[in-house]
Amino acid sequence: LAKTTQPISMDSYEGQEVNITCSHNNIATNDYITWYQQFPSQGPRFIIQGYKTKVTNEVASLFIPADRKSSTLSLPRVSLSDTAVYYCLTGNTGGFKTIFGAGTRLFVKA
Amino acid sequence: GAVVSQHPSRVICKSGTSVKIECRSLDFQATTMFWYRQFPKQSLMLMATSNEGSKATYEQGVEKDKFLINHASLTLSTLTVTSAHPEDSSFYICSARDGSRDIGSGEQYFGPGTRLTVT
Repeated sequence: LAKTTQPISMDSYEGQEVNITCSHNNIATNDYITWYQQFPSQGPRFIIQGYKTKVTNEVASLFIPADRKSSTLSLPRVSLSDTAVYYCLTGNTGGFKTIFGAGTRLFVKA
Repeated sequence: GAVVSQHPSRVICKSGTSVKIECRSLDFQATTMFWYRQFPKQSLMLMATSNEGSKATYEQGVEKDKFLINHASLTLSTLTVTSAHPEDSSFYICSARDGSRDIGSGEQYFGPGTRLTVT
């Protein structure tokens, strides 16, 4: 299981773009990279997933360099409601279980 | 999208009693479900992996006799906290994988969590 490392916390202001980088130096060849968002007293919510290069959906973009040893979650124009903990995970179906790292606590200010 | 429910959302019980938490996949079949525990300001800690029709696999340090897991059908897994004590008070979260949609990425769908308070 690849261990992931993220900044413990980040602050931002409404309307700004936020980039959270995750390091996963030992990622396996068939591992995907998945990001989840968690609000207090709620289960994690899927944000985005990718394997390589760039993935974009309606809420975020995920940038993965060629060596796949890191990834960056990009949240465009954050709002107060984006204040949450963001987790980066690596894994695959064959690897079976998911281990959460400490996550990044994002605080968006007005 | 895939939805996972948990019941109850919160429960308060007395020390020494047992509590059962249900995890259901509402619109898909889940051959594998996972149970996590989360203490305040901490990350999710995997407790066990639940496979339909077979025994659960527990993580190191998790007492299998205290946290009983039953995955009797493709849509239901239960976690029973036996002889609960105040230190078992925590936020319990389940997740499930949809085998029919899985592209090999291992994506999981999480339930809303159950807040257990043991007095």
